[in-house]
Amino acid sequence: DTAVSQTPKYLVTQMGNDKSIKCEQNLGHDTMYWYKQDSKKFLKIMFSYNNKELIINETVPNRFSPKSPDKAHLNLHINSLELGDSAVYFCASSQDGGNTIYFGEGSWLTVV
Amino acid sequence: EDQVTQSPEALRLQEGESSSLNCSYTVSGLRGLFWYRQDPGKGPEFLFTLYSAGEEKEKERLKATLTKKESFLHITAPKPEDSATYLCAVGDSNYQLIWGAGTKLIIKP
Repeated sequence: DTAVSQTPKYLVTQMGNDKSIKCEQNLGHDTMYWYKQDSKKFLKIMFSYNNKELIINETVPNRFSPKSPDKAHLNLHINSLELGDSAVYFCASSQDGGNTIYFGEGSWLTVV
Repeated sequence: EDQVTQSPEALRLQEGESSSLNCSYTVSGLRGLFWYRQDPGKGPEFLFTLYSAGEEKEKERLKATLTKKESFLHITAPKPEDSATYLCAVGDSNYQLIWGAGTKLIIKP
């Protein structure tokens, strides 16, 4: 039973398109995250969402927007995709605000 | 500025050849140091959390240690299935995680 699941796993799309990545966690955690992992393998936090409080990494373009319909879901919507958005996006969750984070398997986004 | 540096970038070992991975950090108010394992095409998988200098944690062939400036992940008699990228992260006083770039470990049979 997958703890943190995200879809799609692979996404190839053209510049300028709008796309969404969905994430669900069944761990009962109160905090969810979106991370971006670039080609050099650095993990960079994009957003954290805890009990309706959204914390945004100020370096994230406003083309990226998280949407949380409920505590178990945090979707990532991206407008006007650019070539530089190509990366792996990881959804994650934690119970204690970040001490132990559980990651999904990642969504490979390629913008062409 | 908070920073995490992992070394080496890549490490190739023969099966059974023990070694250590390093994670050096500077952080304001260490809230914890975390080790994760990442397999190709997968998300990072939690291994250990260390909270204070002198603390040690073990899991199978892995042992993590912590000082005030760095952490080591010791791997004893590794097997090919230990091949992965090992990521280190530190939690700061603002409850943010700062990640290193990882060490890619390859164990040859």
